[in-house]
Amino acid sequence: NAGVTQTPKFQVLKTGQSMTLQCAQDMNHNSMYWYRQDPGMGLRLIYYSASEGTTDKGEVPNGYNVSRLNKREFSLRLESAAPSQTSVYFCASSANTVTQGQPQHFGDGTRLSIL
Amino acid sequence: RKEVEQDPGPFNVPEGATVAFNCTYSNSASQSFFWYRQDCRKEPKLLMSVYSSGNEDGRFTAQLNRASQYISLLIRDSKLSDSATYLCVVKGGGYQKVTFGTGTKLQVIP
Repeated sequence: NAGVTQTPKFQVLKTGQSMTLQCAQDMNHNSMYWYRQDPGMGLRLIYYSASEGTTDKGEVPNGYNVSRLNKREFSLRLESAAPSQTSVYFCASSANTVTQGQPQHFGDGTRLSIL
Repeated sequence: RKEVEQDPGPFNVPEGATVAFNCTYSNSASQSFFWYRQDCRKEPKLLMSVYSSGNEDGRFTAQLNRASQYISLLIRDSKLSDSATYLCVVKGGGYQKVTFGTGTKLQVIP
């Protein structure tokens, strides 16, 4: 099984450009997440989707939008990229968010640079 | 105070040594706890869940102390391959908010 697959793995954008990061999971998980990781900051939640058809803001949602396309796919969009959005982005999934403390499984990340 | 705090290290230990990390959390309503391992430029991977009764997986032992609000990870007989950053993860409250610590870096030296 592939687990959680993210595309692209690397991307360089110019300030003001837009792009969409794609994420798909094949574990039949209900919940999906987008994080960014910056040096010294740890992983910070951007948006999450508890189940198909729902999305909610996390800790740092400004400048991003998400779409839970179906149970498998959860995309992250930068409408107008800014240098402050230079980061490593991780998508994750888990069986659910609420009960049983299900751990999250991560994709291998997208390294995004905004010039 | 940060919601989840870890000593960033680095912890430099010789092969075969025993090393322990602690992680403190501020939300007493936290319900689930995990240790993740992250190699340089890689994604975090679940190392183990942390249960109230403590749990062991080979050379790794995790403990939870709810009264003092910390979790710990003990690694015995350290291997070179244990070199990584260890992330403490606390889950609970709100949307079952998941909070990651900034990680503790371990370097096992030959």
